[in-house]
Amino acid sequence: ETGVTQTPRHLVMGMTNKKSLKCEQHLGHNAMYWYKQSAKKPLELMFVYNFKEQTENNSVPSRFSPECPNSSHLFLHLHTLQPEDSALYLCASSQVGSSYEQYFGPGTRLTVT
Amino acid sequence: GENVEQHPSTLSVQEGDSAVIKCTYSDSASNYFPWYKQELGKRPQLIIDIRSNVGEKKDQRIAVTLNKTAKHFSLHITETQPEDSAVYFCALLNTDKLIFGTGTRLQVFP
Repeated sequence: ETGVTQTPRHLVMGMTNKKSLKCEQHLGHNAMYWYKQSAKKPLELMFVYNFKEQTENNSVPSRFSPECPNSSHLFLHLHTLQPEDSALYLCASSQVGSSYEQYFGPGTRLTVT
Repeated sequence: GENVEQHPSTLSVQEGDSAVIKCTYSDSASNYFPWYKQELGKRPQLIIDIRSNVGEKKDQRIAVTLNKTAKHFSLHITETQPEDSAVYFCALLNTDKLIFGTGTRLQVFP
């Protein structure tokens, strides 16, 4: 269960705050993903990074800004969020071109007040 | 874009009964179909997958069937146990990313 780690596990922030979510994978994978999980949309893909290049941005508002400095680390920078952005944010990694199995992190439970 | 429809959204069964979850899709180019299980408070984890060159795959009490012509695939759980209670997601591979279904909440009552 330590292949993909996420910090923090819980985050409460006001609408004017700026915070960042961090994800790290120790599996040697070449792709990383951000998902938003809420009651309305159980597993909503936000961003895909394949070999550190962003290959997918699923119409995500600009208040979410991803960063992938290398194939092992992925960040999600948050600013001026809305209460409806409260959700569980899951990071995942996979080996594109090989098994494609996605390994998920434990998630960050975000509450926007 | 590609869409995956999953049914039912909730499913309640008695322990020992079977459970079936079905997913339909539209993109005939998909050739990899995994199923993920997410227990309460935990991360989704792969439980079984199938590739388009086979029609059925079984692993102990779980099995997956694929009908490429009709574009649907199903998860079958036999002899259900309380620990099978979870949310199950189907998915398919679409240009190097997985498209997930909307999930099925399965409750197994003792």
